[in-house]
Amino acid sequence: QAQLLESGPGLVKPSETLSLTCTVFGDSIGGFYWSWIRQPPGKGLEWIGSIYYSGSTNYNPSLKSRVTISVDTSKNQFSLKLSSVTAADTAVYYCARGGHSSGWGSWFDPWGQGTLVTVSS
Amino acid sequence: QSVLTQPPSASGTPGQRVTISCSGSSSNIGSKYVYWYQQFPGTAPKLLIYRNNQRPSGVPDRFSGSKSGTSASLAISGLRSEDEADYYCAAWDDSLSGWVFGGGTKLTVL
Repeated sequence: QAQLLESGPGLVKPSETLSLTCTVFGDSIGGFYWSWIRQPPGKGLEWIGSIYYSGSTNYNPSLKSRVTISVDTSKNQFSLKLSSVTAADTAVYYCARGGHSSGWGSWFDPWGQGTLVTVSS
Repeated sequence: QSVLTQPPSASGTPGQRVTISCSGSSSNIGSKYVYWYQQFPGTAPKLLIYRNNQRPSGVPDRFSGSKSGTSASLAISGLRSEDEADYYCAAWDDSLSGWVFGGGTKLTVL
């Protein structure tokens, strides 16, 4: 069973770019979709975007102008960049396997443990 | 405002059967599979139900999912104290070309 681990700065200044990496252990990143999902403190889940191991992406329309998701198959990692952050981007960011619109394995499973990113000066 | 609508809270006593609803539209639940996730405080969500009514290995059969039209439900029978958690529904939305979640339902075992 794959295990996922998010890493990156826990504090980002307003207007700067949030950068996180998800490392996949115990399974190859190849052949699957991979996603980022976030959860503001005390609130619900929000899908940020997904990437296929080949590099094709799909983003939440509400975040699309600020989001870039990339994959590095040689390191078994995929990454998230969110630009021009504000306090509203403060959240626990999760990475997860899955995210295709349909088909076997499109669901989000497993998930990383999550990492809290706070946007503050 | 979430695209999928869930009641913010639900409750029941040990042994009871509880259902949590998830309402959507023709572009999501009405034409796509529904998924349910369980989340305990301070932990990551965990897949509970996939493809409307399928349980992953290890999920007790006390948990069941169903779908009718543009609504879905999660039922928990034989309620136990350890079922106290937040529950989220999710589906792909063809109009938005993306995944949408319900706002979550906090289940309290009285």
